[in-house]
Amino acid sequence: ETGVTQSPTHLIKTRGQQVTLRCSSQSGHNTVSWYQQALGQGPQFIFQYYREEENGRGNFPPRFSGLQFPNYSSELNVNALELDDSALYLCASSLEGLAGVGETQYFGPGTRLLVL
Amino acid sequence: GIQVEQSPPDLILQEGANSTLRCNFSDSVNNLQWFHQNPWGQLINLFYIPSGTKQNGRLSATTVATERYSLLYISSSQTTDSGVYFCAVVLQTGANNLFFGTGTRLTVIP
Repeated sequence: ETGVTQSPTHLIKTRGQQVTLRCSSQSGHNTVSWYQQALGQGPQFIFQYYREEENGRGNFPPRFSGLQFPNYSSELNVNALELDDSALYLCASSLEGLAGVGETQYFGPGTRLLVL
Repeated sequence: GIQVEQSPPDLILQEGANSTLRCNFSDSVNNLQWFHQNPWGQLINLFYIPSGTKQNGRLSATTVATERYSLLYISSSQTTDSGVYFCAVVLQTGANNLFFGTGTRLTVIP
């Protein structure tokens, strides 16, 4: 148990719809990172939020957007869903300092999204 | 961009055997973590090991940052060790995101 929770656990959507995934970070952590893991591949970085500000973004289009709340929980929103968005979405929380050297990231159980 | 390669891609072991998994990375890193992904998708932290050697029970890991590789040792393997093992690194420059390797799929048979 990492203390990181995600909801929902599974989700089925149709192409063109919008989806919101949620993540609650481990107590005391101020940073949330989101990753997409397609079947048979390693997780790919989507973006990271540090103290409610976006702190880095991977190679994902603008229809992937996010938010971090004052309690450091986070949302991932995906608009105009495409078939290739079907994947396991993982969030990770960590405690980052100003030096930003990269602390241990703890992952939630993930949300499995299927786009039909 | 950074390349993080793991070997072997697949490994089948008899219960009780030992194994070594390797992770090579192409750039200088601040952070390296090893994870075990279970069949349900949960990524389980094994080690945070940017350099040096650590041990935790039957598992140990060594990172030689100057030579850009890390090794994960599993001794006396058990069927519950089955799954995919990933190493992941954080670059010294840029955001603090993890770049994951290609993974090693381990199957331990009784």
